[in-house]
Amino acid sequence: NAGVTQTPKFRILKIGQSMTLQCTQDMNHNYMYWYRQDPGMGLKLIYYSVGAGITDKGEVPNGYNVSRSTTEDFPLRLELAAPSQTSVYFCASSSSDSMWRRSYEQYFGPGTRLTVT
Amino acid sequence: AQTVTQSQPEMSVQEAETVTLSCTYDTSESNYYLFWYKQPPSRQMILVIRQEAYKQQNATENRFSVNFQKAAKSFSLKISDSQLGDTAMYFCAHTGANSKLTFGKGITLSVRP
Repeated sequence: NAGVTQTPKFRILKIGQSMTLQCTQDMNHNYMYWYRQDPGMGLKLIYYSVGAGITDKGEVPNGYNVSRSTTEDFPLRLELAAPSQTSVYFCASSSSDSMWRRSYEQYFGPGTRLTVT
Repeated sequence: AQTVTQSQPEMSVQEAETVTLSCTYDTSESNYYLFWYKQPPSRQMILVIRQEAYKQQNATENRFSVNFQKAAKSFSLKISDSQLGDTAMYFCAHTGANSKLTFGKGITLSVRP
């Protein structure tokens, strides 16, 4: 199993450009997440999804958009890139317990290092 | 709101010794999960150990074990026989009814040869 894959691994954007970060998981997980991690800091949740067609904002959603048309894919769209979006982006997925619908542990992709100049 | 606090920014331990990383959390829920994640220099997030709040028994995974004190809302990680490969940043995390993972700020652990 590949687990959670992310592309690209690295990207340099100019201010104002747009791009899509791809995320795919092959574990049939219903929950998927996008995080950003700034240098020396913890992870901040950007958006998450509890199933195909359902997305919700996390802690830092401004400047980003997501869609979830399939169980496997959860792309993150950056519109009008700004230097403040320079960060490492992680995608993650998890299953949930059937009784309380709480997420089990999340499995993370290798990350995308994005620089906006 | 859920919060996770890791008050020690960094720690150092001699190879083969034991080290304990502290974590406290705040939640109003009774059913939740707690995790420790490891992030080595490669930046990959790796699950170290999981604890279900409804289980009284502390989780163990080889050299890694936790001390889960539900009433005190404390969840510390003990690493026994520390190895150079344990050098990493360690994050404590909590997930509850909203299925969002709340992370602490992390602690940088250095294992000295």
